[in-house]
Amino acid sequence: DAGITQSPRHKVTETGTPVTLRCHQTENHRYMYWYRQDPGHGLRLIHYSYGVKDTDKGEVSDGYSVSRSKTEDFLLTLESATSSQTSVYFCAISERHNDDSYNEQFFGPGTRLTVL
Amino acid sequence: GESVGLHLPTLSVQEGDNSIINCAYSNSASDYFIWYKQESGKGPQFIIDIRSNMDKRQGQRVTVLLNKTVKHLSLQIAATQPGDSAVYFCAENRHNNNDMRFGAGTRLTVKP
Repeated sequence: DAGITQSPRHKVTETGTPVTLRCHQTENHRYMYWYRQDPGHGLRLIHYSYGVKDTDKGEVSDGYSVSRSKTEDFLLTLESATSSQTSVYFCAISERHNDDSYNEQFFGPGTRLTVL
Repeated sequence: GESVGLHLPTLSVQEGDNSIINCAYSNSASDYFIWYKQESGKGPQFIIDIRSNMDKRQGQRVTVLLNKTVKHLSLQIAATQPGDSAVYFCAENRHNNNDMRFGAGTRLTVKP
């Protein structure tokens, strides 16, 4: 998985509780992404980061926040989890040499989150 | 709106046969395409990519074809093996954009 780990790999939580998922990379790649994967929707981008403390929203960012204080770590937080956030979450990384280059992304193993 | 999709949700082939998985895209501005393989319980694995200045690219046992005229992408797997059984996704992107869009996937099953 291209030097990408995610933790935890599985989590069950209750509605209304805060949840933080961690993505860690050893590739020193500049770009990091959080996706969710649901049946019938494929992968959808939640947030991404283009450097330390530089983040932006993706297609389905509502209810999620992210932080990147170090190159190697990208955190996804659900401030108050809802049942609609039950999903499998994937982190991805890419190394684009400049903003005009191609975006080859590599994925982590995923985190299965269940919100009861 | 713009979308990436797949013609068939499932494909079953005999071991040793060739497989062809298709993908349609609608964003004419997309200039970069990737095929991913996802096995059960794992993250998507990069297989092969192609840029819009090409219409064919070959890897080990895999070939990607791009037809920009009809906005169609295909993945060909030669001599399909049981280990090829997985869900295959196509994805599209513009080279200066961070928003990669993925199709829903096609499940390939290889029969022995």
